[in-house]
Amino acid sequence: KAGVTQTPRYLIKTRGQQVTLSCSPISGHRSVSWYQQTPGQGLQFLFEYFSETQRNKGNFPGRFSGRQFSNSRSEMNVSTLELGDSALYLCASKKQGEGTDTQYFGPGTRLTVL
Amino acid sequence: AQSVTQPDIHITVSEGASLELRCNYSYGATPYLFWYVQSPGQGLQLLLKYFSGDTLVQGIKGFEAEFKRSQSSFNLRKPSVHWSDAAEYFCAVEDTAGKSTFGDGTTLTVKP
Repeated sequence: KAGVTQTPRYLIKTRGQQVTLSCSPISGHRSVSWYQQTPGQGLQFLFEYFSETQRNKGNFPGRFSGRQFSNSRSEMNVSTLELGDSALYLCASKKQGEGTDTQYFGPGTRLTVL
Repeated sequence: AQSVTQPDIHITVSEGASLELRCNYSYGATPYLFWYVQSPGQGLQLLLKYFSGDTLVQGIKGFEAEFKRSQSSFNLRKPSVHWSDAAEYFCAVEDTAGKSTFGDGTTLTVKP
């Protein structure tokens, strides 16, 4: 079974631009979560989508948004990029989104903002 | 709010030696606890998880962890470390709503 895939793997943008990252969960998984990983702040939860609805949200500004499609694929958008948005963005999927489910992570998208 | 503390930023052990990585959590109810490993440039891989029941849980790659409610700890152990275990290790707690909080990670270096 294919794992979680994220595209693109690497991205370079400039301040003020916007970016869209994509995540394809494991087949049959309905929950997709997004995380931001930086050396200074560590791993921080952005949001979780389940059956096309945002179910949980972390403490990030409104510039960070996401959505989930009917096939469970998810996209994350960051508008008006800032230097501090440079990070590894990780996506993770779960089957039903319950706490007892195992969370499977993708390899991440490395975003660099210049 | 839940939180996770990994007191050791960096640990170095010799190959073949035993390993213990510490994790302390703060959560009001019975937590869901996890240990993940991350190799450079990779995503996270689940090593083991605790939900309830036996407080000693076995994971992949020979790792185990023990949940101690009285100490709010969930330390990760391995009796004999291999060079391939060098990586960054994250402890995490998840609430019943499915929101995960991660520790800052411990980087493990293995000396030959």
